[in-house]
Amino acid sequence: EAQVTQNPRYLITVTGKKLTVTCSQNMNHEYMSWYRQDPGLGLRQIYYSMNVEVTDKGDVPEGYKVSRKEKRNFPLILESPSPNQTSLYFCASSFTGSGETQYFGPGTRLLVL
Amino acid sequence: RKEVEQDPGPFNVPEGATVAFNCTYSNSASQSFFWYRQDCRKEPKLLMSVYSSGNEDGRFTAQLNRASQYISLLIRDSKLSDSATYLCVVNINNDMRFGAGTRLTVKP
Repeated sequence: EAQVTQNPRYLITVTGKKLTVTCSQNMNHEYMSWYRQDPGLGLRQIYYSMNVEVTDKGDVPEGYKVSRKEKRNFPLILESPSPNQTSLYFCASSFTGSGETQYFGPGTRLLVL
Repeated sequence: RKEVEQDPGPFNVPEGATVAFNCTYSNSASQSFFWYRQDCRKEPKLLMSVYSSGNEDGRFTAQLNRASQYISLLIRDSKLSDSATYLCVVNINNDMRFGAGTRLTVKP
């Protein structure tokens, strides 16, 4: 089944404790992206990757890191989480990133205390 | 001004009603347009792309007005299962911009 998977789905952590949210897709997509969704603000892009070893900042990259060592995986790293990073996070992928349909993972709910 | 603006709703309609949502975008260089559906904090899923000539998919009709920079979604004969949040999405130079969504509740 073609899909985007994320882990963990739910996470409660404390300020400053490094965490990684994994994202994997099995559709051989070149383009992958991370979003956060907050009430009233819609989805905002954190980072995106057009291909392996190519990553770029989105609208809200501060406090986040990403890597793209393999085509299928695009982990999101919070080196020192803060309460304002409490949010719902979605990973997405598409074939080329040229404005075509994006496929989203199921989301990760993060609470930073 | 937000790049993509939608009325947040909620729109509460009875089954069988026709309901329309509008979305406006600020960047005239926007290249492609979509409506996504999102159920109760689950992942967004593509509902339909929006083409310049307008397009229809069953009970759903999407329209694009480039001159006025707005996109619309019309849902006819609403079903209970149409209850969701509808996200307007605009592609600007391969950068997808999402509206905050319009909440629809269809009631028996």
